[in-house]
Amino acid sequence: DAKTTQPPSMDCAEGRAANLPCNHSTISGNEYVYWYRQIHSQGPQYIIHGLKNNETNEMASLIITEDRKSSTLILPHATLRDTAVYYCIVRAVTGKLIFGQGTTLQVKP
Amino acid sequence: EAEVAQSPRYKITEKSQAVAFWCDPISGHATLYWYRQILGQGLELLVQFQDESVVDDSQLPKDRFSAERLKGVDSTLKIQPAELGDSAMYLCASSLALTGGAYNEQFFGPGTRLTVL
Repeated sequence: DAKTTQPPSMDCAEGRAANLPCNHSTISGNEYVYWYRQIHSQGPQYIIHGLKNNETNEMASLIITEDRKSSTLILPHATLRDTAVYYCIVRAVTGKLIFGQGTTLQVKP
Repeated sequence: EAEVAQSPRYKITEKSQAVAFWCDPISGHATLYWYRQILGQGLELLVQFQDESVVDDSQLPKDRFSAERLKGVDSTLKIQPAELGDSAMYLCASSLALTGGAYNEQFFGPGTRLTVL
């Protein structure tokens, strides 16, 4: 199962874009990149996923490099409610999600 | 909006006692997962069901943990006997299908916080 590497913590000013990086250099060609977030004491919440192409939804954008060895989650206008732990996950073909330590994003006023 | 239900939300027990957690996935979701999250750490998959069958229980401590999903709908996770190190959040998730990028979004329940004294 591919492993991901994320910075342990990041800060972002409210209203600015938050760019969360993730390295997944051992990803296989048929493995998807998923992003979840977990607000304190709640269950994780799905944000977005992608395979090769960049993706955008109402919550965020996902930029995947051409070699697929890294990706960036972009929250275009961060709010205080976006403060959470963000997990970058490479999903195994079995459907299994392997959660790492994630990045703690602190959005500051 | 449909949600994954879990109960109880909180459970305090003494070591060596038995505890059980219940999960009701979103209607129609064939795949169900149980995760454990120790405070301050990431999630660890304990068991994965496809309908009523276990797909992956490689990380389940089978000497004390058991999980079942008899009718392929709701599920129960049991610990007997509980140990101090079992204190954690136990999260249940469900997804529509086992594979396929478009349908494998996992929806998580609120979790059960277990404290073993």
